[in-house]
Amino acid sequence: ELKVEQNPLFLSMQEGKNYTIYCNYSTTSDRLYWYRQDPGKSLESLFVLLSNGAVKQEGRLMASLDTKARLSTLHITAAVHDLSATYFCAVDMWSGGGADGLTFGKGTHLIIQP
Amino acid sequence: NAGVTQTPKFQVLKTGQSMTLQCAQDMNHEYMSWYRQDPGMGLRLIHYSVGAGITDQGEVPNGYNVSRSTTEDFPLRLLSAAPSQTSVYFCASSRTTNTGELFFGEGSRLTVL
Repeated sequence: ELKVEQNPLFLSMQEGKNYTIYCNYSTTSDRLYWYRQDPGKSLESLFVLLSNGAVKQEGRLMASLDTKARLSTLHITAAVHDLSATYFCAVDMWSGGGADGLTFGKGTHLIIQP
Repeated sequence: NAGVTQTPKFQVLKTGQSMTLQCAQDMNHEYMSWYRQDPGMGLRLIHYSVGAGITDQGEVPNGYNVSRSTTEDFPLRLLSAAPSQTSVYFCASSRTTNTGELFFGEGSRLTVL
């Protein structure tokens, strides 16, 4: 059974600081996704990582994937209040022999304070 | 281009009642799926479909039924609602099978009393 663990689950940080969210998963997969969810809203796709060593950047967010370590990171640079949200990583079950869908982590609730 | 549309957005049911959550997409996506989101649990896959006429079970399929008669529509049926099915339900689609990047609907908040 594929397990996806995020840490931390809750993060309060100040504007201007840097931080990293970690996503570990338990079985072989080379496809990992990051989503953002604002309170009471739907999920918005942030990054699609499809191979070992993949790195994607969008504004103050950068995501990377190490399939050998079964680890992805989401790095926040010089945080701003607008980045406050819950961030989910999700791993493709199908490539590990599972159902055709994603297994999600529990989410990291990020609060950025002025 | 509306993307993925879910109805209703909110619903309250009594235990034992049945209902259908509707999902439609206008992106001509072959893959569609249903997830439920519970506090502190992330999202869990209920059922999915890789094309019209094809459906399969995800992680938590018990108590739910699906069908896929057209590419556009993928309704989720609750056969006999239970309080444990109180949740937020998300429909999602993808342009590729084998999952791929998911595009989510706005969600349907269901409360079972």
